[in-house]
Amino acid sequence: EVQLVESGGGLVQPGGSLRLSCAASGFAFNTYPMNWVRQAPGKGLEWVSHIRSGSNTITYADSVKGRFTVSRDDATNSLFLHMNTLRAEDTAIYYCVRDDYWAFDIWGRGTVVAVSS
Amino acid sequence: QSALTQPRSVSGSPGQSVAISCTGTSSDISYHNHVSWYQQRPGKAPKLMISEVNKRPSGVPERFSGSKSGSTASLTISGLQVEDEADYYCCTFEENFTWVFGGGTKLTVL
Repeated sequence: EVQLVESGGGLVQPGGSLRLSCAASGFAFNTYPMNWVRQAPGKGLEWVSHIRSGSNTITYADSVKGRFTVSRDDATNSLFLHMNTLRAEDTAIYYCVRDDYWAFDIWGRGTVVAVSS
Repeated sequence: QSALTQPRSVSGSPGQSVAISCTGTSSDISYHNHVSWYQQRPGKAPKLMISEVNKRPSGVPERFSGSKSGSTASLTISGLQVEDEADYYCCTFEENFTWVFGGGTKLTVL
């Protein structure tokens, strides 16, 4: 079964850091680009970051550029999102998402990040 | 990275057809075919319904269809069913490997 499972979410103070992980299974992880997409409470979807296989192309939304870093470990089928200098507006469900020819075809269940003092 | 424009809500009765529009710019939707649509039921992760403007992934009912004209893409649901009630989001690939979503449309099946 193709599956993505996120972990690492939690409550963090403004200015703090958090590292999200995503464990992939059931497909050739090293051949697919991967993304993070988030959804603030009661709001719509927002694309956050993209990383291609081999990590040769990495992109970010303007809202997180310079604060978030995406990485992947193809040996362990894992995707990561390092989040620094967190703000209240970063509060959201963070989804790990597989990219298949510019469409997001497989989604994890998400992990909740809450930024509050 | 400007958001795509979708109506906040649409509604229809069972058996009817509804269309949800998604308006972009000349540099995204009208420039290529990398437009996708997602269904999100309450408390669930989004699900891919349409890719590349009009391609249905395996398992998505044929009554879901996509199209594009100029800088506006559309998702049409024919033969509306109660279980189609959900939020729907369009999404397009922008330059330099970035993506943008529409604001979302809440579909109510009356």
